[in-house]
Amino acid sequence: TQLLEQSPQFLSIQEGENLTVYCNSSSVFSSLQWYRQEPGEGPVLLVTVVTGGEVKKLKRLTFQFGDARKDSSLHITAAQPGDTGLYLCAGVPNTGNQFYFGTGTSLTVIP
Amino acid sequence: NAGVTQTPKFQVLKTGQSMTLQCAQDMNHEYMSWYRQDPGMGLRLIHYSVGAGITDQGEVPNGYNVSRSTTEDFPLRLLSAAPSQTSVYFCASSVVVGVGYGYTFGSGTRLTVV
Repeated sequence: TQLLEQSPQFLSIQEGENLTVYCNSSSVFSSLQWYRQEPGEGPVLLVTVVTGGEVKKLKRLTFQFGDARKDSSLHITAAQPGDTGLYLCAGVPNTGNQFYFGTGTSLTVIP
Repeated sequence: NAGVTQTPKFQVLKTGQSMTLQCAQDMNHEYMSWYRQDPGMGLRLIHYSVGAGITDQGEVPNGYNVSRSTTEDFPLRLLSAAPSQTSVYFCASSVVVGVGYGYTFGSGTRLTVV
């Protein structure tokens, strides 16, 4: 059983479209992170959200942490081919000392 | 800045062989870990360490050993390779496991066991 569930698993969209990726759990997390992984490389940290309800923006990417700190979302505005990759959410539950990762969302942006 | 360095990048082993995957970081991070990544399974934690001399098991530790004699190095040993261990292995480090801190990953080792 995955502690963090991501949806959708796969997403293929046209350049210029908007999209949202979800990361959900039944557990409370002290913080959640989002990573992007490109083929043949390790994941790269995009952002960390810490406070319930927090919203962070990174250019065209908007990250939100749920009020109850059990979920997070990543919204991309006007997607570009350079956004193509595997997006992973991760975090440490309040009662734990390990990072847990979601299964990932594979995004393809078609020019 | 080197960050997290993993060697080798590619490896082919025969069933039953042993080998060590190397991982080194130069950021003075206390927390280091090993993950394997398989299609549809995401990143699964093998072993982790919260500091030199301290290691613990993750979700899928069977068939793997680790040690942490220095802050910088965290090698992963495959004792007797099996085809089920064919995977991409990532080493990652963090300042600590705590609020606001994320991982720095290495570029991975692609292991095939035949």
